[in-house]
Amino acid sequence: QVQLQESGPGLVKPSETLSLTCGVSGNSISSGFFWGWIRQPPGKGLEWIGSVYHSGSTYYNPSLKSRVTISVDTSKNQFSLKLTSVTAADTAVYYCSRIYSSAWYFWGQGTLVTVSS
Amino acid sequence: QSALTQPPSASGSPGQSVTISCTGTSSDVGGYNYVSWYQQHPGKAPKLMIYEVSKRPSGVPDRFSGSKSGNTASLTVSGLQAEDDADYYCCSYAGSSNYVFGTGTKVTVL
Repeated sequence: QVQLQESGPGLVKPSETLSLTCGVSGNSISSGFFWGWIRQPPGKGLEWIGSVYHSGSTYYNPSLKSRVTISVDTSKNQFSLKLTSVTAADTAVYYCSRIYSSAWYFWGQGTLVTVSS
Repeated sequence: QSALTQPPSASGSPGQSVTISCTGTSSDVGGYNYVSWYQQHPGKAPKLMIYEVSKRPSGVPDRFSGSKSGNTASLTVSGLQAEDDADYYCCSYAGSSNYVFGTGTKVTVL
């Protein structure tokens, strides 16, 4: 069974960079599939942030593209998210997930990141 | 890309059926048979309920069914049960490895 676990700071200051990592167990990232990040502001809906293929190819939400970097580290079986120049609007629960047949099949438990000084 | 449009709320009594719509465009819902549906209980991660418009992952009850017509996809929950009280989100592939989620629907079991 694939398991994903988000980790990273729960508090980030405005204008700084949000950095999260998703550790994967039960499945090698190198085996294929797309891996991605999805976020949910408090009380609001889900937003796809972006995806990375095991080869390192990346795809981003056009609305966030200028601030987002997603990368994969196959040696550690994990992938990461960086979001620059954060504001209060980036406060959200951030989920990592794995695609299966163009659906987000496996999910991490999510981690709340608050942007505040 | 704009969020797919869902009704904010839907409700039904135990045993009844409820259908949720998810309206997009020909660039997402209408253009691909890659619509998925997620159930989310408060404080929990979303759970995949339907993929490829109408397929159910292992373990999902057959009370949950999906369909699509043109630019609108639908999720039907038959025989409503108390545990179906949750938020539901649709998601569509939008081309070029992009995805777009719906606005979400709160289903209340009366």
